[in-house]
Amino acid sequence: AQSVTQLDSQVPVFEEAPVELRCNYSSSVSVYLFWYVQYPNQGLQLLLKYLSGSTLVKGINGFEAEFNKSQTSFHLRKPSVHISDTAEYFCAVTLGGGKLIFGQGTELSVKP
Amino acid sequence: DTEVTQTPKHLVMGMTNKKSLKCEQHMGHRAMYWYKQKAKKPPELMFVYSYEKLSINESVPSRFSPECPNSSLLNLHLHALQPEDSALYLCASSHEGEETQYFGPGTRLLVL
Repeated sequence: AQSVTQLDSQVPVFEEAPVELRCNYSSSVSVYLFWYVQYPNQGLQLLLKYLSGSTLVKGINGFEAEFNKSQTSFHLRKPSVHISDTAEYFCAVTLGGGKLIFGQGTELSVKP
Repeated sequence: DTEVTQTPKHLVMGMTNKKSLKCEQHMGHRAMYWYKQKAKKPPELMFVYSYEKLSINESVPSRFSPECPNSSLLNLHLHALQPEDSALYLCASSHEGEETQYFGPGTRLLVL
């Protein structure tokens, strides 16, 4: 069965510092990978996705992620964060068929 | 346009009430989804509709009744809910056969 592990439940960081949010998945077959962001009292917004092709994926708001098949990881990075990046971030995986499996989420808190 | 709309934004209901949540998309997506999200938790899949037919029911109690009247609309009818059903209800949609799901802003439900 598929599963997703987000290794950090909370990540505090200062404004303009780099950040990495870690995500590992378990699956014996090819998967599709996503990062979503959820701002307070809002729905989920797609940040980026890996379906195939280049393992370095660029998304919105300056975020990028790298798919590493050998380490079964899909870590999210941003070189310089802003206060407005404070939100909950969810990594998700699917084999297809509409069933998205989410990680437990990482709360990113950007401090001035 | 990658917009999914949901109404109402907030809903308070008693345990004997009947209410409905509405979701709409005009992206030509033929797959639509209902998720339930409790505070500080990831979304949990409830139902999947594909070409207006129910394709996945994740063992959801019968007090939740989904309906897909046409390819753009998805409803969730609520009856005799329990206080533990209080949550954020998220709708999503995707092209059939494509794995990227786009989420609406959600309806925050409080059951008294």
